[in-house]
Amino acid sequence: KAGVTQTPRYLIKTRGQQVTLSCSPISGHRSVSWYQQTPGQGLQFLFEYFSETQRNKGNFPGRFSGRQFSNSRSEMNVSTLELGDSALYLCASSVPTGNMNYGYTFGSGTRLTVV
Amino acid sequence: TQLLEQSPQFLSIQEGENLTVYCNSSSVFSSLQWYRQEPGEGPVLLVTVVTGGEVKKLKRLTFQFGDARKDSSLHITAAQTGDTGLYLCAGEVLRWAGNNRKLIWGLGTSLAVNP
Repeated sequence: KAGVTQTPRYLIKTRGQQVTLSCSPISGHRSVSWYQQTPGQGLQFLFEYFSETQRNKGNFPGRFSGRQFSNSRSEMNVSTLELGDSALYLCASSVPTGNMNYGYTFGSGTRLTVV
Repeated sequence: TQLLEQSPQFLSIQEGENLTVYCNSSSVFSSLQWYRQEPGEGPVLLVTVVTGGEVKKLKRLTFQFGDARKDSSLHITAAQTGDTGLYLCAGEVLRWAGNNRKLIWGLGTSLAVNP
């Protein structure tokens, strides 16, 4: 069973540019969540998608956006990049069971460096 | 603000020693998850505990969920170099702001097991 696939693994961008990151969840997983991880702040929740709809959103500016396709693949976009956006961006998929989340399967992440 | 505090933040021990890391909050969680993360990779789910007082064992790792479901501990017996990594706990809170659920993440315990 293939895991969660994130592309690209590494990315270097210049301030002001935009970037699109991709995530393919485990087959059959319809919930995809995105996180930003930095050493000082830990894992910060960006958003969650379920059946192509954004179900939850964290406290990030509007420059951060995402979407989910009918095959559950998801993309996140960051526009007008800032130096502080440098981080490991993680995608996680899960199979929600009622109101319970029994755990995420994470991808290996995309390491974004903004210069 | 809901917080989940992990302690200690850093831990460096010799192979063969025992250790315990803690995850504490004032919030009640419907479930609590433990993950281990290696550098440059995404977190990997170790266990999910759901019932207050629950104890789960995974080889040399013992996880306990507090009776009040506000705290948890992870005990490692006879640590090995392969246990090195960042240990993260995440508590699930139901019915946050009208949405189904939210995960609260700790900042992690960075464990180094030296040969």
